[in-house]
Amino acid sequence: DADVTQTPRNRITKTGKRIMLECSQTKGHDRMYWYRQDPGLGLRLIYYSFDVKDINKGEISDGYSVSRQAQAKFSLSLESAIPNQTALYFCATSVASAPNTGELFFGEGSRLTVL
Amino acid sequence: AQTVTQSQPEMSVQEAETVTLSCTYDTSESDYYLFWYKQPPSRQMILVIRQEAYKQQNATENRFSVNFQKAAKSFSLKISDSQLGDAAMYFCAYISGAGSYQLTFGKGTKLSVIP
Repeated sequence: DADVTQTPRNRITKTGKRIMLECSQTKGHDRMYWYRQDPGLGLRLIYYSFDVKDINKGEISDGYSVSRQAQAKFSLSLESAIPNQTALYFCATSVASAPNTGELFFGEGSRLTVL
Repeated sequence: AQTVTQSQPEMSVQEAETVTLSCTYDTSESDYYLFWYKQPPSRQMILVIRQEAYKQQNATENRFSVNFQKAAKSFSLKISDSQLGDAAMYFCAYISGAGSYQLTFGKGTKLSVIP
């Protein structure tokens, strides 16, 4: 089984619908992240969480919200999906360590299409 | 802000040959980490190699090695004896060593391996 699991793997929805992407991990890591990947743009950070009580906006948080339900669970919501939110979404985890070596462990991605 | 630039959107290599992927970055910091991540068609991002900026020795992992030129802010990835399984998107990434949370990614290079 994957250490970082994302559901759903693929989703097609319509403009205006509410969508939740879920992420769970068995790595025991404190830090969790949501990234968005668009062709030709690389990966951009949406939100990150360093523990259950800590939620922070990333580079492109507008139109998104998150919930850290437990150490192992971090979900991303689109309250009212729009077509330019069509993308591949990645959840990732990392160890809270000093120094921060920065290695991320990724899920398999959730491809979202908004029509 | 740090930026990471991959100037080669696509590259190809003959099987068993060697290929070098380029990456440059911009930072005013002296303590940081650099990474190459691989994204095969399965979508999951996998860490290929990591380089600590304070280390002069270039990192190597089996057929993968880097040429880290700190003064030039260059971090290229060399893949020797290329295999069909090396075909993927490759992303260069940077993180500050000063307790930063955010990994900054380049836009990626798509590598094709020709049998």
